[in-house]
Amino acid sequence: DAKTTQPPSMDCAEGRAANLPCNHSTISGNEYVYWYRQIHSQGPQYIIHGLKNNETNEMASLIITEDRKSSTLILPHATLRDTAVYYCIVRDRIYNQGGKLIFGQGTELSVKP
Amino acid sequence: DTEVTQTPKHLVMGMTNKKSLKCEQHMGHRAMYWYKQKAKKPPELMFVYSYEKLSINESVPSRFSPECPNSSLLNLHLHALQPEDSALYLCASSQGILGGTRNTEAFFGQGTRLTVV
Repeated sequence: DAKTTQPPSMDCAEGRAANLPCNHSTISGNEYVYWYRQIHSQGPQYIIHGLKNNETNEMASLIITEDRKSSTLILPHATLRDTAVYYCIVRDRIYNQGGKLIFGQGTELSVKP
Repeated sequence: DTEVTQTPKHLVMGMTNKKSLKCEQHMGHRAMYWYKQKAKKPPELMFVYSYEKLSINESVPSRFSPECPNSSLLNLHLHALQPEDSALYLCASSQGILGGTRNTEAFFGQGTRLTVV
């Protein structure tokens, strides 16, 4: 499985964009990049995923580099409620088994007033 | 309904007790998962069920026994646990399509916080 590397922590001012980087240099051609977040003492929440094109939804944007070795999750206008641990995950290729989501250490994002 | 419901929310059990954790989803998902999460650590995968059959066991000790009685329910039976098994136990589900190319997200429950005394 491809591994991911994320900074352990980041701060962001409320109302500003939060840009969370992730390195996944060993990613293979069929593996997707997923982002989840976990607010304290809650279950992880899906944010977005992508293969090679940039993706956007109501929560965030995902920018994947052309070589697919890194990606950036962008929260365009961070609020205090976005304070959470953000996990970048490369999805296992054993899709027929439902796929394994293996969590790395994640980035603890603190949004400050 | 995009919820995964876990019961109970909190559980305290002795080392000689037998208890069960329950997980339920009504999204028609055919893949279900158990994760264990210790404080300040990421969730660790324990088991994966696909179409009600156990497909992945991540070398979990036998004192944890999963069961999938039907496509909506997932249980985790606990017996003779140790204090170090105290953790947040998370259940998740996703739409598993055999031979498909579509990837979908996993939905997580809020977890059961287990304390072994």
